[in-house]
Amino acid sequence: KQEVTQIPAALSVPEGENLVLNCSFTDSAIYNLQWFRQDPGKGLTSLLLIQSSQREQTSGRLNASLDKSSGRSTLYIAASQPGDSATYLCAVIKVDFGNEKLTFGTGTRLTIIP
Amino acid sequence: NAGVTQTPKFRVLKTGQSMTLLCAQDMNHEYMYWYRQDPGMGLRLIHYSVGEGTTAKGEVPDGYNVSRLKKQNFLLGLESAAPSQTSVYFCASRGGRGPQETQYFGPGTRLLVL
Repeated sequence: KQEVTQIPAALSVPEGENLVLNCSFTDSAIYNLQWFRQDPGKGLTSLLLIQSSQREQTSGRLNASLDKSSGRSTLYIAASQPGDSATYLCAVIKVDFGNEKLTFGTGTRLTIIP
Repeated sequence: NAGVTQTPKFRVLKTGQSMTLLCAQDMNHEYMYWYRQDPGMGLRLIHYSVGEGTTAKGEVPDGYNVSRLKKQNFLLGLESAAPSQTSVYFCASRGGRGPQETQYFGPGTRLLVL
């Protein structure tokens, strides 16, 4: 059974710092890996999706990497801003019989201190 | 284009009562999903649908039923609510099977069962 772990559960950093969020998974036979952002009381917003054949994806100040062999992904946030405060979730995606199954981590709650 | 909407936003039930959560999407997506999110646990898939008139069980289907009579709507029913079903419920939809297709999430329904 796929297990997805995100450590730490919470992280506070001063504004302007670069930071890295970690995601590890136990089964490397994945289709894709996706990073989401969740604001309090809101739904999930997709940030980056990395296909299993890719090593990284970038969007603005965000860069996500994927190392399937070691079962790890990182989300790098450059020049952090207070608006980046949110919970960040990673999800590992497998496809069984054509059906997509997402296994989520429990998230890292990020607080950017002004 | 409203994306994915969920009704209601919040509900309190007594043990044994029934209710239906409504998910609607206006993106003409084939795939729809119901998840629950509990503290300390990642989102878990309850049921999903790969098209109008189809439903399938996810990871935690017990105590729930679903219907997809119209392509744009996916209903989640609780026939006899239990305190263990206190959770935040998220609906999601996805357009196709392409590797870059992502799931779009609704804002969630917070359910409290007393």
